[in-house]
Amino acid sequence: DIQMTQSPSSLSASVGDRVTITCRASQSISTFLNWYQQKPGRAPKLLINVATSLQSGVPSRFSGSGSGTDFTLTITSLQPEDFAIYYCQQSFSSVLTFGGGTKVEIK
Amino acid sequence: EMQLVESGGGLVQPGGSLRLSCAASGFTFSNYAMHWVRQRMGKGLEWVSAIGTTGGPYYPGSVEGRFTVSRENERNSLYLQINNLRAGDTAIYYCARETAAGDGMDVWGQGTTVTVSS
Repeated sequence: DIQMTQSPSSLSASVGDRVTITCRASQSISTFLNWYQQKPGRAPKLLINVATSLQSGVPSRFSGSGSGTDFTLTITSLQPEDFAIYYCQQSFSSVLTFGGGTKVEIK
Repeated sequence: EMQLVESGGGLVQPGGSLRLSCAASGFTFSNYAMHWVRQRMGKGLEWVSAIGTTGGPYYPGSVEGRFTVSRENERNSLYLQINNLRAGDTAIYYCARETAAGDGMDVWGQGTTVTVSS
């Protein structure tokens, strides 16, 4: 199975900060990489798919980049509603895998 | 409004079985691949099954042989049969719709909780 490794596992940031989360695949997955946001007690929400495609309704401060094995989720100006856990997920293989998650906390 | 509603969770003894259901509405269910994803308390997301419109099912090795996913397009419903339940199966189980292009899961249910305990 393809392993997905996220870093960091958690970070503290302030409103207005630029935040970068990294996701690394154990093998090349082209751009078959998706990002989700999950808030406490809620189901995950798809933010970005195929590495860079922002879902409808997702603020433009979110962006994704990367291909092959290395990917990045960037939040350009962190807002109070962005404090959550973020997961990457590969859809290259028919056996899907998620990263371990990155918790974005308030500093 | 597109919606997925899971049901069927509950408290089950180790070794028991459970069938989870997911009712879809607001979209043409038969046109979409569907997934089950679980989340143990305080832990990350774990994909546990998928079924396509014509292909599948698919499972990770960790659940293959105990989990069976199925669908009834006529009833707009997705199912997950879990046999020989273990403590490690205790989790919230979400059903989710795959995007039309097959890239990510864009509609999620609220989840149903399975607790395996004696």
